[in-house]
Amino acid sequence: DAKTTQPNSMESNEEEPVHLPCNHSTISGTDYIHWYRQLPSQGPEYVIHGLTSNVNNRMASLAIAEDRKSSTLILHRATLRDAAVYYCILRAPTLYGNKLVFGAGTILRVKS
Amino acid sequence: DTEVTQTPKHLVMGMTNKKSLKCEQHMGHRAMYWYKQKAKKPPELMFVYSYEKLSINESVPSRFSPECPNSSLLNLHLHALQPEDSALYLCASQGYTGELFFGEGSRLTVL
Repeated sequence: DAKTTQPNSMESNEEEPVHLPCNHSTISGTDYIHWYRQLPSQGPEYVIHGLTSNVNNRMASLAIAEDRKSSTLILHRATLRDAAVYYCILRAPTLYGNKLVFGAGTILRVKS
Repeated sequence: DTEVTQTPKHLVMGMTNKKSLKCEQHMGHRAMYWYKQKAKKPPELMFVYSYEKLSINESVPSRFSPECPNSSLLNLHLHALQPEDSALYLCASQGYTGELFFGEGSRLTVL
């Protein structure tokens, strides 16, 4: 199974952009890159996913390196509510029933 | 309705008890997952059901027994658990573009 590596923790100031990196050097050509976040005392929440091109949604942007060996989740203006653990996960191309394994994730702290 | 509902939210059981955790979704999703999460650790995959059939079992001890009676419902039957099985048990269903929708979890304490 392809593995992801993320920094243990990061800190950001409120209202500033945050770039959360993820390395996945053993990614296969057809794996999707998914990001989830988990707020305290809640289940994980889907944030965004992509395959090759950069993606935007209402929560965040996902920038994928050209060689796909790394990606970056971008929160454009961090708020205190964005303080959470952020997980980068790889998903095989089969739509259903994948082995979705969470790595250690990045703890994001947001300062006011 | 974009919710995954897990019951009970909290469960305390003895090592000789038999209990069940329940997970329900009405989004028409055809894959459902059980994860176990210990404090300050990432969720750990236990089981995956795809089209109501068990497709992945991550070498989980037999004291945990999953069941998928229909496409909307996923159960986790618990029997003869150990105190180290105390954890948050998370259920998720998989959406049409592969994303997981998680419930809030069932917090289990084994005495």
